[in-house]
Amino acid sequence: SQQGEEDPQALSIQEGENATMNCSYKTSINNLQWYRQNSGRGLVHLILIRSNEREKHSGRLRVTLDTSKKSSSLLITASRAADTASYFCATDHYGNNRLAFGKGNQVVVIP
Amino acid sequence: NAGVTQTPKFQVLKTGQSMTLQCAQDMNHEYMSWYRQDPGMGLRLIHYSVGAGITDQGEVPNGYNVSRSTTEDFPLRLLSAAPSQTSVYFCASSYLDFRGYTFGSGTRLTVV
Repeated sequence: SQQGEEDPQALSIQEGENATMNCSYKTSINNLQWYRQNSGRGLVHLILIRSNEREKHSGRLRVTLDTSKKSSSLLITASRAADTASYFCATDHYGNNRLAFGKGNQVVVIP
Repeated sequence: NAGVTQTPKFQVLKTGQSMTLQCAQDMNHEYMSWYRQDPGMGLRLIHYSVGAGITDQGEVPNGYNVSRSTTEDFPLRLLSAAPSQTSVYFCASSYLDFRGYTFGSGTRLTVV
């Protein structure tokens, strides 16, 4: 499987702290994306980073990509209770929109 | 602008029954896909389409059929439901010059 694998699988933090999640993959990619899923809801696209990019920001989100290590990280700064969700990384290996999703990373932000 | 609309939200089927999960999008997205989400398994691609009249298989296509007669609609058909198809099904769409998927809210299917 070419699925991304998130690490750690579950994370519990206090409101205001930063949360970092990692994702690794096995074969080269065209792009990598992060999605958020609130309980019982569909996934929401957060950020896309292409293979020739190393870092992207969106609001309180920061994504890095290290293609030599085949890994990516998602940093949520100054976390809020509303950030409680599952976070998925997804890889597009051929630039054809076919995404391979990881198993997800449960983040709980304690008020 | 409704985004991606999936119906029904919940469904219980008996083994051997057939049904169609509906998916419609109003964003003029060329690409549409169906995923299933099972506990501890992440999302797995069932079928996808890059435009009207064009469909292809994903990672787990067995037991499912799709068709794409219009840009807007991409129904998923379960031919003869099995307990192994108990899952949450998500439809997603995007532009071909990929900018990220828009997901529907999901259909929770139970096969007994």
